[in-house]
Amino acid sequence: ETGVTQSPTHLIKTRGQQVTLRCSSQSGHNTVSWYQQALGQGPQFIFQYYREEENGRGNFPPRFSGLQFPNYSSELNVNALELDDSALYLCASSLGLAESGYEQYFGPGTRLTVT
Amino acid sequence: TQLLEQSPQFLSIQEGENLTVYCNSSSVFSSLQWYRQEPGEGPVLLVTVVTGGEVKKLKRLTFQFGDARKDSSLHITAAQPGDTGLYLCAGAYNFNKFYFGSGTKLNVKP
Repeated sequence: ETGVTQSPTHLIKTRGQQVTLRCSSQSGHNTVSWYQQALGQGPQFIFQYYREEENGRGNFPPRFSGLQFPNYSSELNVNALELDDSALYLCASSLGLAESGYEQYFGPGTRLTVT
Repeated sequence: TQLLEQSPQFLSIQEGENLTVYCNSSSVFSSLQWYRQEPGEGPVLLVTVVTGGEVKKLKRLTFQFGDARKDSSLHITAAQPGDTGLYLCAGAYNFNKFYFGSGTKLNVKP
């Protein structure tokens, strides 16, 4: 069973640029969530995709957008990068939405630095 | 505003000591998870608790979900250096949003 993978591992961008981060879900998982983790803090929920539809969003501006593909892999796009966007971006996949207690499995993350 | 508050933020103890980490909220969660994260890696799931009052044990780790499903604790017995890491609690809210606490950084000295 393949785990959650993310690419690239590290990325350096300039303020104002756009970036796309990629995530490949664990086999059989149809739900993916994206998180931003600033240094020394817990992950902050960005949004979740279930069967290619956005299904929940945290307090992030519209310049953070995403996609989920038919094979359940996913992309996170961030436009007009700001210095505060520098963080570890994590994606997590799960078997699906459950009434309570679905379990998420995280990838290793993409470290984004904005200069 | 942090929906989940964890305490303590930092903990440095000697090998063999016991410790408890707390996760508190004013909100009710449908489920709560505990993760451990090492530097440069994603969080790794330790346990999921769903029912109020539930207690789960994982070797030397004991997890408890509060009766009202607003708080949880993680107790480690006889800590070992391999337990060192960032411990995170996370709650499922409205079934489709997940909130993490700020974490407890544990250092176990040999």
